[in-house]
Amino acid sequence: AQKITQTQPGMFVQEKEAVTLDCTYDTSDQSYGLFWYKQPSSGEMIFLIYQGSYDEQNATEGRYSLNFQKARKSANLVISASQLGDSAMYFCAMRESLYTQGGSEKLVFGKGTKLTVNP
Amino acid sequence: ETGVTQTPRHLVMGMTNKKSLKCEQHLGHNAMYWYKQSAKKPLELMFVYNFKEQTENNSVPSRFSPECPNSSHLFLHLHTLQPEDSALYLCASSHQSTSESRETQYFGPGTRLLVL
Repeated sequence: AQKITQTQPGMFVQEKEAVTLDCTYDTSDQSYGLFWYKQPSSGEMIFLIYQGSYDEQNATEGRYSLNFQKARKSANLVISASQLGDSAMYFCAMRESLYTQGGSEKLVFGKGTKLTVNP
Repeated sequence: ETGVTQTPRHLVMGMTNKKSLKCEQHLGHNAMYWYKQSAKKPLELMFVYNFKEQTENNSVPSRFSPECPNSSHLFLHLHTLQPEDSALYLCASSHQSTSESRETQYFGPGTRLLVL
């Protein structure tokens, strides 16, 4: 079963507007972490924001915020005031309990959403 | 500037060639990873090393052979590859973390591999 689902293959937004990128996840663990990464055309995966399953508040990092709805198992990324440099692939990823994974650190990634910011 | 470097950035090889990908991290991490990113597929974890010991081999074919001589360096040795092995190969590193920690994996720029 797919653990991370990103239903939007592509999204378009006007410069200076806000955009929400969707992510839903599937896990039976009580303890897990959720990450968002940005991948420009150069290929490097750039860490953006982290949300822990026990965090009571939604994570924020500058223009990035995470709309975490635990009961719905969703962790949507909100980018405010979009900039042309935000055009890239965006990946949602989950780290489950290390006990489930036999002690190994593993991230499971979604298929990504390609964001295009229009001038 | 990234603390994880990868060389080469681009590689074209024939199916009978032997080549190696190199990854180096300058972040003091103790875990290193190889991922494969093919077109239109999620990032796939290939190998995990913790403190130089391989802790994960995600059913990767033996034509891919990892090597981790120390916590800062990771290699991926390639031999008799197939065209479907063409992909972006990403290296990452992290501190060994707990489930609740905010430790994240830091990625290198990747090696774009084309197998002819």
